Amino acid sequence: GIQVEQSPPDLILQEGANSTLRCNFSDSVNNLQWFHQNPWGQLINLFYIPSGTKQNGRLSATTVATERYSLLYISSSQTTDSGVYFCAVERKLRDDKIIFGKGTRLHILP
Amino acid sequence: GAGVSQSPSNKVTEKGKDVELRCDPISGHTALYWYRQRLGQGLEFLIYFQGNSAPDKSGLPSDRFSAERTGESVSTLTIQRTQQEDSAVYLCASSPSGLLGKLFFGSGTQLSVL
Repeated sequence: GIQVEQSPPDLILQEGANSTLRCNFSDSVNNLQWFHQNPWGQLINLFYIPSGTKQNGRLSATTVATERYSLLYISSSQTTDSGVYFCAVERKLRDDKIIFGKGTRLHILP
Repeated sequence: GAGVSQSPSNKVTEKGKDVELRCDPISGHTALYWYRQRLGQGLEFLIYFQGNSAPDKSGLPSDRFSAERTGESVSTLTIQRTQQEDSAVYLCASSPSGLLGKLFFGSGTQLSVL
């Protein structure tokens, strides 16, 4: 099956810093999504981004499908950005399941 | 409903008992997924339903695990003869389409097997 690798596994930053999270995948995909899991366990869909670039406030994401990677940028980070960020992909086959990477654990210090 | 609803939110059971977890997807969503998340770990795919197609059960860890879905509505995940290693959060998600669909998650069921 498809492999999804996220880096770094852990990241500790001071409030106000910028960060870049990476997701590499081993096969062509139809669908790539970024999620944030807050400290209470709730998963929130941040971006649906199979290709191109999208921005939402301090967050933006870029997927380069031909090179099989996606980047999530967080600017001017806040303590509420803490949590785990997951990348999830759906391989380019009909009705294939959505597979998650192991996540990047982000801790923003006040 | 407004979002994906899961029940119960917490379940404590004794080893060897059967448990049933429920997921109510967003109305109109044809795809439904179950994932398992152990403490501090990522999301492990369990099973995927898409419309009236046969479910993809390739992630179920053993024959003690089974799931059903009636049409495009409620799904139940059943774990028979629970073991301590089954302790985890069980997450359900739905999507408006099995292909190219944005995924929406419920709050999960925290299962603790004593």
